[in-house]
Amino acid sequence: DAKTTQPNSMESNEEEPVHLPCNHSTISGTDYIHWYRQLPSQGPEYVIHGLTSNVNNRMASLAIAEDRKSSTLILHRATLRDAAVYYCILRRNNFNKFYFGSGTKLNVKP
Amino acid sequence: DVKVTQSSRYLVKRTGEKVFLECVQDMDHENMFWYRQDPGLGLRLIYFSYDVKMKEKGDIPEGYSVSREKKERFSLILESASTNQTSMYLCASRGTGPTNEKLFFGSGTQLSVL
Repeated sequence: DAKTTQPNSMESNEEEPVHLPCNHSTISGTDYIHWYRQLPSQGPEYVIHGLTSNVNNRMASLAIAEDRKSSTLILHRATLRDAAVYYCILRRNNFNKFYFGSGTKLNVKP
Repeated sequence: DVKVTQSSRYLVKRTGEKVFLECVQDMDHENMFWYRQDPGLGLRLIYFSYDVKMKEKGDIPEGYSVSREKKERFSLILESASTNQTSMYLCASRGTGPTNEKLFFGSGTQLSVL
């Protein structure tokens, strides 16, 4: 199984940047790195994904280490609506399995 | 956007009952998944399907079966519900190919087995 390690919880102030780390030291060359978040009482929703290069979209940025053994999800300006559990996931190419860990619970303070 | 609909938000069943959880997606996705979510354990894959009538076991298939008779519908079946199957069940779907990396989830069904 492709494993990821994340801190259990983090705290941020509103309107400040947040860097959510993820370690995936057993990553293979064909594993995609995904991030999802889960708001209370909802199913997870897609945030961003990447393979080797850093990625940006309207929700967040994904910074991938050069050796790909870690990645960081960056929320540029945290809002109260960003309070959620964030999951870092690996998906092996040609396989349909997404392995979810326990995630990081992000608390955003006003 | 893709809509993944789970038939019930909350369900209460008795031990030994046969339970059906239904999931429907509206984007013609080939792949559909059933996960269960328990506190401290994250999401664990029960079964997935990559085509009509095709299925593969996930990491925790024991006590569950699935059915995919139509492309848009994926059912999870608990043949004889037990209390350790009390959990949040999440359905997801995904297309195929490099432009279809995203998983789309339903809102979940909280199942309580008494």
